[in-house]
Amino acid sequence: ETGVTQSPTHLIKTRGQQVTLRCSSQSGHNTVSWYQQALGQGPQFIFQYYREEENGRGNFPPRFSGLQFPNYSSELNVNALELDDSALYLCASSLGRERETQYFGPGTRLLVL
Amino acid sequence: EDQVTQSPEALRLQEGESSSLNCSYTVSGLRGLFWYRQDPGKGPEFLFTLYSAGEEKEKERLKATLTKKESFLHITAPKPEDSATYLCAVLVYGQNFVFGPGTRLSVLP
Repeated sequence: ETGVTQSPTHLIKTRGQQVTLRCSSQSGHNTVSWYQQALGQGPQFIFQYYREEENGRGNFPPRFSGLQFPNYSSELNVNALELDDSALYLCASSLGRERETQYFGPGTRLLVL
Repeated sequence: EDQVTQSPEALRLQEGESSSLNCSYTVSGLRGLFWYRQDPGKGPEFLFTLYSAGEEKEKERLKATLTKKESFLHITAPKPEDSATYLCAVLVYGQNFVFGPGTRLSVLP
């Protein structure tokens, strides 16, 4: 059984650019959630995808968008990057969306200059 | 608004010195409370899920308990390898996970 994987591990962008982060869910999991974690803080929920449909969104602007593919892998896209977008971006997968434990990937460290 | 707080913010223990971490929550409807361990620069690692008041779970030197307003993570005779940030998160009806800010635990040899 493979765990959650994310790519790339690190990324440096400049303000105003666009970025795409990728996540492969754990084998058998059909739900993917994305989180932003600033240094020294807990993860903040961005959105969740269940069977290719968005299933809940946190308090993030529309320039944060996502996709889930038929194989349940997912992308997080961020447009018009701002300095405050610098953070660890975490993907978590779960089997279903009801009271299910979420298993996290290693994260992508994004630095916006 | 649903809120999760954790205390203390940071904790330094000597190896073998037992202690407890606290997670307090104010939510509209709790579906589950989760504890995770996070090492620097890595993703959170799942430890426990608790669903109802009075429930307890144990794993090696860790024991998690749940009441109607808070959860405790008890660490018995910790070792240096237990050093990490411990996060709690609540799953709320109709919403998603809400994480606390974490407790940074350092266990000194």
